[in-house]
Amino acid sequence: SQQGEEDPQALSIQEGENATMNCSYKTSINNLQWYRQNSGRGLVHLILIRSNEREKHSGRLRVTLDTSKKSSSLLITASRAADTASYFCATDAYDYKLSFGAGTTVTVRA
Amino acid sequence: DSGVTQTPKHLITATGQRVTLRCSPRSGDLSVYWYQQSLDQGLQFLIQYYNGEERAKGNILERFSAQQFPDLHSELNLSSLELGDSALYFCASSGGGSAGELFFGEGSRLTVL
Repeated sequence: SQQGEEDPQALSIQEGENATMNCSYKTSINNLQWYRQNSGRGLVHLILIRSNEREKHSGRLRVTLDTSKKSSSLLITASRAADTASYFCATDAYDYKLSFGAGTTVTVRA
Repeated sequence: DSGVTQTPKHLITATGQRVTLRCSPRSGDLSVYWYQQSLDQGLQFLIQYYNGEERAKGNILERFSAQQFPDLHSELNLSSLELGDSALYFCASSGGGSAGELFFGEGSRLTVL
């Protein structure tokens, strides 16, 4: 079973708009990470947020973590066509493995 | 380029056969992870090795086995293949034993006919 669940499953936005996706998880975590996957390619690490952090920024990405609600969100601002991809949250639950959610497919329309 | 190399990129085989997927981690990385990605199951963790030792195991079938060699490359062996084993198999590496940032290869796409 998967630890993280993303919401929504799919998202379609206009170029320049912001995209927000959410991730919920079930157990205590050491850290939570977000990855991007272009169609059929390998996953690329975007950002890692530790359990004692609440918010983190990297370029146009903003990640929040609420450990009391066991949830995280990823915001992509000023989206571009190149942001079209699937986005996955992944959790490190102190068990030496990284468990991935089912992903959110983001389509950015020109 | 993540620095993780996986071979072969594509593989087509028949049910009942056995295949070996190979992974070379990033230079200096001691941990190797294997994942299976299929349309209906998402990205499933199979197994992790750290410096040659098995560290964590997921829902890996008994027909599947893996190892990490002294030079740190890893192989995933899939035997008695079934149609449902058709998937993308990813290898990822990281520097430490715990699950920090993972660097993924481009995957091996296995098709079982």
